[in-house]
Amino acid sequence: AQTVTQSQPEMSVQEAETVTLSCTYDTSESDYYLFWYKQPPSRQMILVIRQEAYKQQNATENRFSVNFQKAAKSFSLKISDSQLGDAAMYFCAGGSQGNLIFGKGTKLSVKP
Amino acid sequence: DARVTQTPRHKVTEMGQEVTMRCQPILGHNTVFWYRQTMMQGLELLAYFRNRAPLDDSGMPKDRFSAEMPDATLATLKIQPSEPRDSAVYFCASGRTSGGSNQPQHFGDGTRLSIL
Repeated sequence: AQTVTQSQPEMSVQEAETVTLSCTYDTSESDYYLFWYKQPPSRQMILVIRQEAYKQQNATENRFSVNFQKAAKSFSLKISDSQLGDAAMYFCAGGSQGNLIFGKGTKLSVKP
Repeated sequence: DARVTQTPRHKVTEMGQEVTMRCQPILGHNTVFWYRQTMMQGLELLAYFRNRAPLDDSGMPKDRFSAEMPDATLATLKIQPSEPRDSAVYFCASGRTSGGSNQPQHFGDGTRLSIL
């Protein structure tokens, strides 16, 4: 069975600062993919970043980057230069062969 | 940009009524997923299809829920009869998988369902 755990129900960051959201996963699959999704109050689910498990290099998308620690089964998301528009629920998800398991989410607040 | 389209955006109905939610996946995507989101349970996978064939519907209450893909451009999720505990936001997502490659799922805007 696959599990995805987000241990931080809520996080807060000052505008322009950096914040890291934690995620751990457990899977018996050798080939899998990990994702971070953002859900603002509009409730859209927006893909933030993607990491293939076979790649050692951490994925980066502009101000968003991941710290993928395969041995520790950790997949954290770092948001640099936080902006007010980054305030949202963030979901970590992982899976293989198309199916994804989602964590419970972390609510991120950004203080001006 | 291509998008997953879900209808209706909102639905309010009385318990016992039939509810049908529709989803148009992104053209070229071969996997379709139905999720339910509630405050208590978070995002739960209800069912998913690959190449229109149902692969997993173990998350779906079989006695009242049914999911189908009549063709590649339409997926439906039906609840009959509906109950107040079915109130939630229902998301459809689509993606493309081939040879083990797992492309990200793209989500629709969801249907907010309220059963009175």
